[in-house]
Amino acid sequence: GAVVSQHPSRVICKSGTSVKIECRSLDFQATTMFWYRQFPKQSLMLMATSNEGSKATYEQGVEKDKFLINHASLTLSTLTVTSAHPEDSSFYICSADGTSGNNEQFFGPGTRLTVL
Amino acid sequence: DAKTTQPNSMESNEEEPVHLPCNHSTISGTDYIHWYRQLPSQGPEYVIHGLTSNVNNRMASLAIAEDRKSSTLILHRATLRDAAVYYCILSPLGGFKTIFGAGTRLFVKA
Repeated sequence: GAVVSQHPSRVICKSGTSVKIECRSLDFQATTMFWYRQFPKQSLMLMATSNEGSKATYEQGVEKDKFLINHASLTLSTLTVTSAHPEDSSFYICSADGTSGNNEQFFGPGTRLTVL
Repeated sequence: DAKTTQPNSMESNEEEPVHLPCNHSTISGTDYIHWYRQLPSQGPEYVIHGLTSNVNNRMASLAIAEDRKSSTLILHRATLRDAAVYYCILSPLGGFKTIFGAGTRLFVKA
């Protein structure tokens, strides 16, 4: 089956620094990837849609200058949290569109970000 | 996006069947019904999907009401590893956003 990986799985950083999270489709090409954020005991919240070779589409309320998304190839999308603050601490999850045409999503294992 | 309604939580005994309901009264004719589950500290994983007919796979069965306004995910024999949050999601044909609701947290007792 289709596999999506994320790196790193866990990151701790100081307030004010930037953190990059990578999302890779390992055995398939993904023209579209998605980034979600999940706070404890809550559901996943869609942040943005990442399109290969074009600008990401952000959901309402998500700051595009704070959460930079780059989808440079058909197997890699990156999310950079710029000038991170403690309130950005969260579980970040990416997903990629499957190739079966039924809208199935393949999710990465998630990245736990802790900002001190 | 069409919305779904699920119970906040359900409890099951190990090795017994579990029926997880989902209401989607505003479903349109081209919406797929997808189920995902999320184990603690992991990304969601696909469970099953359907359009009109009931579906079976190695993980579960999906029973879809004739009017498609509700569906039920059936785990035939719950195990402790099935304890997770189960999400029922509608996804329109040709669409690609997957919007998550609150889901149902399934507790499995030994």
